[in-house]
Amino acid sequence: QKEVEQNSGPLSVPEGAIASLNCTYSDRGSQSFFWYRQYSGKSPELIMFIYSNGDKEDGRFTAQLNKASQYVSLLIRDSQPSDSATYLCAVLRVDSGGYQKVTFGIGTKLQVIP
Amino acid sequence: DVKVTQSSRYLVKRTGEKVFLECVQDMDHENMFWYRQDPGLGLRLIYFSYDVKMKEKGDIPEGYSVSREKKERFSLILESASTNQTSMYLCASSLSGRAREQYFGPGTRLTVT
Repeated sequence: QKEVEQNSGPLSVPEGAIASLNCTYSDRGSQSFFWYRQYSGKSPELIMFIYSNGDKEDGRFTAQLNKASQYVSLLIRDSQPSDSATYLCAVLRVDSGGYQKVTFGIGTKLQVIP
Repeated sequence: DVKVTQSSRYLVKRTGEKVFLECVQDMDHENMFWYRQDPGLGLRLIYFSYDVKMKEKGDIPEGYSVSREKKERFSLILESASTNQTSMYLCASSLSGRAREQYFGPGTRLTVT
């Protein structure tokens, strides 16, 4: 089982719709969860992070965390063509050496259709 | 704004060459990381450092080494480049703390022929 799993997509949504991106993780001791956006040919940039169960909203973006189900999601409301990118889920965990490390999923490619 | 710079955007090297990839951050971050990114495999951690002269192996350290002599600079070294090290290499830095948002450099596309 991969430590962080995402569907690679592509996920296609029409402009104005809600895009729902999902991520599961295997380590129950994981502490913090991040969503990065990566445009083609560019490096990842942070959109949101969350570390408490529940929802966290920032503009059109909502991150949702359910630690019992080991599940984190990102909702994008009123999707725009400029949201078309790959979205990386990342999880902060403590490794066997006691160091905190971030593990990334492979990313979900989102396509917003005008 | 945090700025992470990498020495080259594109690099072509021959098999067996020693390769140096340099990364510099200007925000006094304690933590620095080296990743490689490959299609279908995502971002994979090669090495990381939480302090000057400190280094720890990530998930795929084989064939690589690192150096951190100054807080702002973290170097990745390919001792003897091989074709399977052709990849996009990304450096990142972050502050200490729970959130640990990472700021990425622009990446170096390395091709080993």
